[in-house]
Amino acid sequence: GEDVEQSLFLSVREGDSSVINCTYTDSSSTYLYWYKQEPGAGLQLLTYIFSNMDMKQDQRLTVLLNKKDKHLSLRIADTQTGDSAIYFCAVLLSGGYNKLIFGAGTRLAVHP
Amino acid sequence: GAVVSQHPSRVICKSGTSVKIECRSLDFQATTMFWYRQFPKKSLMLMATSNEGSKATYEQGVEKDKFLINHASLTLSTLTVTSAHPEDSSFYICSARDLGSGQETQYFGPGTRLLVL
Repeated sequence: GEDVEQSLFLSVREGDSSVINCTYTDSSSTYLYWYKQEPGAGLQLLTYIFSNMDMKQDQRLTVLLNKKDKHLSLRIADTQTGDSAIYFCAVLLSGGYNKLIFGAGTRLAVHP
Repeated sequence: GAVVSQHPSRVICKSGTSVKIECRSLDFQATTMFWYRQFPKKSLMLMATSNEGSKATYEQGVEKDKFLINHASLTLSTLTVTSAHPEDSSFYICSARDLGSGQETQYFGPGTRLLVL
């Protein structure tokens, strides 16, 4: 089946940039997403990118997509303690299924 | 962004009882909603796709008679965990597909934590 993989943990210093990486197997995915989950809460849609784009920037967030390598990344500039959370990469399964396939999530820890 | 609510946020029940969880899209209509289950420190597992006015589509390995889904209106889907057992204890999250946005986006509810004693 389709697979989405992420590194499980990232630790950064406050003020530095964070880069969370994701790889996927479905080369026909049209939409790719980043969600944020804080403890005990649901998922917050942070941003998404359409497959015909290479980059999307939204304030402190930059998404890079390398379709050839099936690699997606999320860069958070000037990381703050409030950015500490789990970040999930998700891809929309192709073939009209409308299903999202999630990675295992990357736990971002921001320290002073 | 669009808002999805879930009720209750937390429920404790005795083994053998049934629990109903509601998922509502508050400011948009959702012909399709999804139900996920999340185990501690794990990713989300899609349980079923709920389509307004028709039967839900269950993922492989999910018992449709145990997890009853009803999507009676464009803003409400319910998940009923029937004859709950301790192994059903989990975090259940719904999402709703907002077609009105013109993009293929899913918005998630805050989740319902179920504890079966």
